[in-house]
Amino acid sequence: KAGVTQTPRYLIKTRGQQVTLSCSPISGHRSVSWYQQTPGQGLQFLFEYFSETQRNKGNFPGRFSGRQFSNSRSEMNVSTLELGDSALYLCASRGDSQETQYFGPGTRLLVL
Amino acid sequence: DQQVKQNSPSLSVQEGRISILNCDYTNSMFDYFLWYKKYPAEGPTFLISISSIKDKNEDGRFTVFLNKSAKHLSLHIVPSQPGDSAVYFCAASGDSGYSTLTFGKGTMLLVSP
Repeated sequence: KAGVTQTPRYLIKTRGQQVTLSCSPISGHRSVSWYQQTPGQGLQFLFEYFSETQRNKGNFPGRFSGRQFSNSRSEMNVSTLELGDSALYLCASRGDSQETQYFGPGTRLLVL
Repeated sequence: DQQVKQNSPSLSVQEGRISILNCDYTNSMFDYFLWYKKYPAEGPTFLISISSIKDKNEDGRFTVFLNKSAKHLSLHIVPSQPGDSAVYFCAASGDSGYSTLTFGKGTMLLVSP
């Protein structure tokens, strides 16, 4: 099986812009979670989608949003980018009745 | 308040010896624990996990021990190899479902030849 894929791998944006990141889960996995990794805060949970519905949400502002499509692919969107949004954004998928999440390679976002 | 703590930011070990990475947690609702290995600018790679109903799980050179009463888990790597050099993250789940991982800050392991 192919692993979790994320596009793009690298992205440079300026303050105030918005960005959309994409994640394709492992085939058959319906749960997709997003995480942000920064040097200061470490790995933090953003939100989880399951069957096109947001099931859990972390402690992030409303500028961070996401969605999931019927094929389980997910996108996350960050609006009005701030310098502090520069981070590695990771997507993970999990199979039904499984406890382990598998991560993609991440998207490195740099906000200038 | 950090619910998952890895108190050692770094660990240096010689090749062939045992590496022991430690992790403490505070949330008693966690019932599933995982270790991931990570290189810079890459996604975490799953290594091994353990359910709270067990106290030990082995997979090749990797063994995870769980002490529920102490809210402590450890990852043992025997024998350590230079290719094991990476950042190791402890993660926990179960309090909000298994798709919500709470991570420690990581321990950088350096295995020297």
